[in-house]
Amino acid sequence: QVQLQQSGPGLLKPSQTLSLTCAISGDSVSSNSVSWNWIRQSPSRGLEWLGRTYYRSRSYNEYAVSVKSRITINPDTSKNQVSLQLNSVTPEDTAVYYCARSSEAVIGALDYWGQGTLVTVSS
Amino acid sequence: DIQMTQSPSSLSASVGDRVTITCRASQGITNSLAWYQQKPGKAPKLLVYAASTLEGGVPSRFSGSGSGTDYTLTISSLQPEDFATYYCQQFYSSPRTFGQGTKVEIK
Repeated sequence: QVQLQQSGPGLLKPSQTLSLTCAISGDSVSSNSVSWNWIRQSPSRGLEWLGRTYYRSRSYNEYAVSVKSRITINPDTSKNQVSLQLNSVTPEDTAVYYCARSSEAVIGALDYWGQGTLVTVSS
Repeated sequence: DIQMTQSPSSLSASVGDRVTITCRASQGITNSLAWYQQKPGKAPKLLVYAASTLEGGVPSRFSGSGSGTDYTLTISSLQPEDFATYYCQQFYSSPRTFGQGTKVEIK
């Protein structure tokens, strides 16, 4: 059974860096048939896909244009986890952040999700 | 980006009702569509992938259909545990956009 356990601070000030970690159990971050995604949800934006990392012989990243200049998603094979960094946050980045797995077994849909982390950006 | 438009944004229904939610993509997505159910305070849960394939463990009262740009999620007989918000998502291309959601409420 795949489980994703998220961790990271929930309160940031504007201009700080958001850093979240998603610890993976029951699968490998370097598996060649899955991707590891970050998604956020807010009342104003709804569900917003931020990006993903995946291995196909080597590591690849893909980011949404809306955050591309500020985001980094990194796999950590030694700890079997994936991290999200979002630089220069503003109050508009306030949201619940989720990590989620997409798998070729479900043709790319998001089949396992973390529990979500509420991140509030406020001075 | 591919825009996903869901309708209705909310609906009221009774237990036992047949409920239909639609999702329209701004361009063809060749069945690369998933449906999720979300309850308050919880992460979304995958119900249907590839437009019409039911995820394991999902009750058979849920079904998905459609092709091209137009897709439908149907609940054949609404149960008390089905009151939730439902989202579609395309994974034809990045960014993997979601619909805005349909909230199913008790009449």
